[in-house]
Amino acid sequence: EVQLVQSGAEVKKPGESLKISCKGSGYMFTNYWIGWVRQMPGKGLEWMGIIYPGDSEIRYSPSFQGQVTMSADKSINTAYLQWSSLKASDTAMYFCAKTSNSNGFSWFDPWGQGTLVTVSS
Amino acid sequence: EIVLTQSPVTLSLSPGERATLSCRASQSVSSYLAWYQQRPGQPPRLLIYDVSNRATGIPARFTGSGSGTDFTLTISSLEPEDFAVYYCQQRAGLPTFGQGTKVEIK
Repeated sequence: EVQLVQSGAEVKKPGESLKISCKGSGYMFTNYWIGWVRQMPGKGLEWMGIIYPGDSEIRYSPSFQGQVTMSADKSINTAYLQWSSLKASDTAMYFCAKTSNSNGFSWFDPWGQGTLVTVSS
Repeated sequence: EIVLTQSPVTLSLSPGERATLSCRASQSVSSYLAWYQQRPGQPPRLLIYDVSNRATGIPARFTGSGSGTDFTLTISSLEPEDFAVYYCQQRAGLPTFGQGTKVEIK
């Protein structure tokens, strides 16, 4: 079974750093892109970007370029999303998802369970 | 950026009724359109890809149609588990999502 398991909920203060994770299993991790999607409280889905664990190629949405950093460690089938200095506006649920084929701009299937990030002083 | 506009924002229907959800793109996305379902407290789930192909395990009551800029998701007869939020997504350009349509129980 293809599965993505994300790290647990985080509560941070503004200005702090954070790295959340997404571990894939049940498929060849290096052969598919992993994407990140933001969902702010009560809002819709926002496509943040994708990373190819095979060679760590990354494509960011312009809206998130410079705001977050994506990375991956193929030796442990894990992708990461990190912030160097969190803001209150980063409060959201963050989902990772696997692309349905090896094409970067492909559909997301399946999705991880989500990581809730709360940034508050 | 390609903008997807979904309508209506909320659809109030009863179990057994037919649901028709619309997604309109600001420019042609060819056949690069998908639909996702998100139930409360759950991650999104891929329902339909490339306009009309059902993803693995998706019941036949879900049907996608359309081309170019106008697309429709039809649920032929609503089951209790179908009351959820539905998002369309395009990948003709940098991927974007619509703002969602909530299907609620009337």
